[in-house]
Amino acid sequence: SQTIHQWPATLVQPVGSPLSLECTVEGTSNPNLYWYRQAAGRGLQLLFYSVGIGQISSEVPQNLSASRPQDRQFILSSKKLLLSDSGFYLCAWGGQGSYNEQFFGPGTRLTVL
Amino acid sequence: QKEVEQNSGPLSVPEGAIASLNCTYSDRGSQSFFWYRQYSGKSPELIMSIYSNGDKEDGRFTAQLNKASQYVSLLIRDSQPSDSATYLCAVRRDSSYKLIFGSGTRLLVRP
Repeated sequence: SQTIHQWPATLVQPVGSPLSLECTVEGTSNPNLYWYRQAAGRGLQLLFYSVGIGQISSEVPQNLSASRPQDRQFILSSKKLLLSDSGFYLCAWGGQGSYNEQFFGPGTRLTVL
Repeated sequence: QKEVEQNSGPLSVPEGAIASLNCTYSDRGSQSFFWYRQYSGKSPELIMSIYSNGDKEDGRFTAQLNKASQYVSLLIRDSQPSDSATYLCAVRRDSSYKLIFGSGTRLLVRP
């Protein structure tokens, strides 16, 4: 069965510091991978998605970036965090089939102070 | 107009009742429809998928899709306090890898 991991689970960072969040998927190959952010009491905002190694599509202009160095690894980064980057960051994977169900990891709660 | 609209709630129902959650979408080209459950502080969990008009049942859950009316709903029979959560509706447009999420409906099941 497929499993998706995210770490860390919780992170508190000062404004201006760098960020690296990692997501890995087990039990499937060539998944579509997604990064979402959910601000407190808000809906899900798609940040990036990837359909293959090195292929990244950005949905929202911001100070975040994403990379996919391996088939089942997706990394979200920032060089300098802003207060507005606080939120619940969720990684999801989906199959390449036509239905495109997406399955979420446990998430990383980021607080920028 | 939002692409996927849900009433934010809270929808409050007594234990054992049927909870009815509704979602409308704007893009007629939408092909796949999903319901996710999200407990407070946790990540969303996929509970139902539906792709064709009509009803789809899975245990206590029934998803209903009406593409002509651009409407998808989730019925939860015999609601339990453990069903209390936020329910997110998501829609996939034709030929897209992306899902468009509604802002969610908060459901409270009173013991």
